[in-house]
This record gives sequence, structure tokens and C-alpha cells, in this order.
Amino acid sequence: AQSVSQHNHHVILSEAASLELGCNYSYGGTVNLFWYVQYPGQHLQLLLKYFSGDPLVKGIKGFEAEFIKSKFSFNLRKPSVQWSDTAEYFCAVNYLNYGNNRLAFGKGNQVVVIP
Amino acid sequence: DTGVTQSPTHLIKTRGQQVTLRCSPISGHKSVSWYQQVLGQGPQFIFQYYEKEERGRGNFPDRFSARQFPNYSSELNVNALLLGDSALYLCASSLQDNTGELFFGEGSRLTVL
Repeated sequence: AQSVSQHNHHVILSEAASLELGCNYSYGGTVNLFWYVQYPGQHLQLLLKYFSGDPLVKGIKGFEAEFIKSKFSFNLRKPSVQWSDTAEYFCAVNYLNYGNNRLAFGKGNQVVVIP
Repeated sequence: DTGVTQSPTHLIKTRGQQVTLRCSPISGHKSVSWYQQVLGQGPQFIFQYYEKEERGRGNFPDRFSARQFPNYSSELNVNALLLGDSALYLCASSLQDNTGELFFGEGSRLTVL
């Protein structure tokens, strides 16, 4: 079965520090890749997506992610975090061979930014 | 432009009971998906419907069923509730049926006692 791995479930860092969250997925053919974010008290929101083309994608709020096909990875980065980035971050994969919107999610990273 | 709306937001049931959760997609979205999220885990895919037809089913028992109506709203039904069904049930809508780009609602928090 397809699986998505996110490590370091809890991350605590200070404002202005850099953030990198890892995401690895199991092989299953062509994929679309996503990072979703859930701010406290809010619903899951799309942070960024990769379908094809430039493997370095930029999303909202200064986040970016890099798709490395050979490593089955889609790591999320932000050079300088703010207190408002405190949230839970989920990596998600859509395996195109299913032909539907089924997403496989990782367990998430709970990120706390200390002012 | 309203987002995905779900009802009820919270509900408490006892073991063996049945529950129906409701979802209205974003206007113009024809695909609705359902996910279960238990504490400490990422969402798990339950169903997808597109144009009123089932397009995918996750690894959930037959106690879980869903349907989509002509106005593209959807219901998720769970019969014979177990304690382990306690979770946040998320509904997501999308314009297309096969990209994975989803827009989520706030969820329905189900507690089974």
C-alpha cells in the first residue's frame, strides 16, 4: 500500500529560524504532491502543490518545496519562520494510477514557533 | 464565496448507533471526498464521489457508506458505531476528479461512548 512518511512529528523553533520538514513517499507511479497546513482552530488549507515542471515550487506565506524524484521526497522549507507559522503541516500524495482524488497523508508535523 | 460546509460540527453517539454527516461543496465543485482523522494521525481516505458516482473507496468496513445528491452535496453514514469510530470526519470538494487538489471543510467531530 502507498505510504507517506513525515519525521520529527514535533518541531519547536524560534522566530527567524529556518524550517525544513521532510516528506518521503512510497513508489507508486506518477504522483501529484501537496503540503497542507492546519492553523490552530482552522481547517486544512493547501500550502503548495506540485503536478509537473520545475521541481522547486513556491507556495503561500514564503514556503517552498522541492520534489526530488530519485529520492521520492517532497521536502518543505521556509528560510525564516514567524510566530504565525505555528500550525500542523501535512504532506499528501495523489497517486495518478488511481484515477481519482484519493490522497495519502503523512502523520503530520506539529510546528511551534516561539516569539 | 463560501467554502465547504459540514454539519453537525460536533456530535456524541453511543456504541451501536448510527450517524449521518452532511457536506456541501464549494459552488461549482462536483467532486466530494470524505476522510477520517484520528488524533495524532493524518487524514485517511474513506470515499470519493464525482457526479453522483463513487470514484474511490478506502480501506473501511461496509458499515461506512456515502452518497452524493444531484446538487453535489453528500452524506456519510456510519452504522453500528464502535468506540474506534471516534474521530474528526473531513469533507473535501474539488473542481476536478483526479488531481488530488482538495478544499477541506472544518470537519464533524464524532465521539462514540
